[in-house]
This record gives sequence, structure tokens and C-alpha cells, in this order.
Amino acid sequence: AQKITQTQPGMFVQEKEAVTLDCTYDTSDPSYGLFWYKQPSSGEMIFLIYQGSYDQQNATEGRYSLNFQKARKSANLVISASQLGDSAMYFCAITTSGTYKYIFGTGTRLKVLA
Amino acid sequence: NAGVTQTPKFQVLKTGQSMTLQCAQDMNHNSMYWYRQDPGMGLRLIYYSASEGTTDKGEVPNGYNVSRLNKREFSLRLESAAPSQTSVYFCASSEAQGFGGELFFGEGSRLTVL
Repeated sequence: AQKITQTQPGMFVQEKEAVTLDCTYDTSDPSYGLFWYKQPSSGEMIFLIYQGSYDQQNATEGRYSLNFQKARKSANLVISASQLGDSAMYFCAITTSGTYKYIFGTGTRLKVLA
Repeated sequence: NAGVTQTPKFQVLKTGQSMTLQCAQDMNHNSMYWYRQDPGMGLRLIYYSASEGTTDKGEVPNGYNVSRLNKREFSLRLESAAPSQTSVYFCASSEAQGFGGELFFGEGSRLTVL
């Protein structure tokens, strides 16, 4: 079975600084995908970034990058140059080949300080 | 672009009442999902449908039933609501064939059971 662990319930970061949100995963399937979603206070779920288990390069999308360390089973989200609008809940999720299930972690609440 | 549409957005029920949450997607996705979100628990998978005609239990299926009415629609039914089912419910869909496709979420339905 897949499992996601997010150990940081809350984080603070100063505006314009970089921040890393931790995510560790557990699966015995060699084929899997890792996702990060953002949930602002308005409640919608916004897809940020995806990393496949066979991808050689770490994924990047604008100010978001995924620090993928396969041996450590970690998929940390790095947000560069934080903005006030980055204040939100962030969820890490995993899906594995053939299961069709997407399993989420408990999330990290990020607060960006002016 | 409607994407994933859930109804109703808000509902208050009394213990023991029944209700159905409706979900429809217009992206021709094969897979559909129901999650519940509770503070500190993240998103937990209730049921999912990998393709039209199939449904499977997720992490927390007890007290719920689902119907994949057709490729577009996936409903979630509470037969006898309990206060523990007070939550925000999200429907999602994906084109994932195995793994790799992002989830597209509805706006959520806030359910309160008194």
C-alpha cells in the first residue's frame, strides 16, 4: 500500500525567501507518480508539480521545484522567492502503477510573512 | 470550462438522514474519486472508480456508497448520516492510465451532520 508522510504541520517563511516542504513516501511499486497540490483559504485544490519515479531530472514549474531523492523516498517541494499569495495548505500525494488510487498526506500549512 | 462540478455546495443534515452528493466531469476522464477532508487528516480517499462500470473502496469507505452512473457522473451516497461524517467532500477525476495524470478537483461540498 502507498503512504505519504508530511511531518511539518505548519511552516513560516519570510517573503522573498525560499522554503522547503517535506514529503516522504512509502511504496513497494517501482512505478509511481508524486504530486504536490496547493489549497488556499478559498478551498480549491490547485495542482503544482508532478514527478514520475523514472524521471531522471527533478521536476520544475516556475518557482516550484521538486527535490526528488529516490533512495531516501523523499519528494520535497521547494518554493523559491516566496510571495504572500503562497500562504496556503500544501499536500503531497502518490499514485502507483495500476492502482489508480491517489493517496494524500496530512498537509503542511505555509504562512508567508511580509 | 466547467471541469468537475459538485452539488450541492453546502448541506446540513440531521443524524440518520440520507443524501447523495453528485459529481460530473466534462473532460472525458476515465477515473473518478471521492475524498473527504478533515482538519489535521488531509484528504482521505473514500471510493474511486477507475473506469466506467467499476468502483472500489478507498481508505475510509464505511458509511458510504457510490454509483458510477456513466463516464461523466460519479455519485456518493450517505444512507444514514452520522456526525462523524461532517466534513468537506471533494470529487476529482483523472485521465490516468495507471499513473501519472494529475487529479482535477471540484470545488468541494461542505456537509454538516447534526
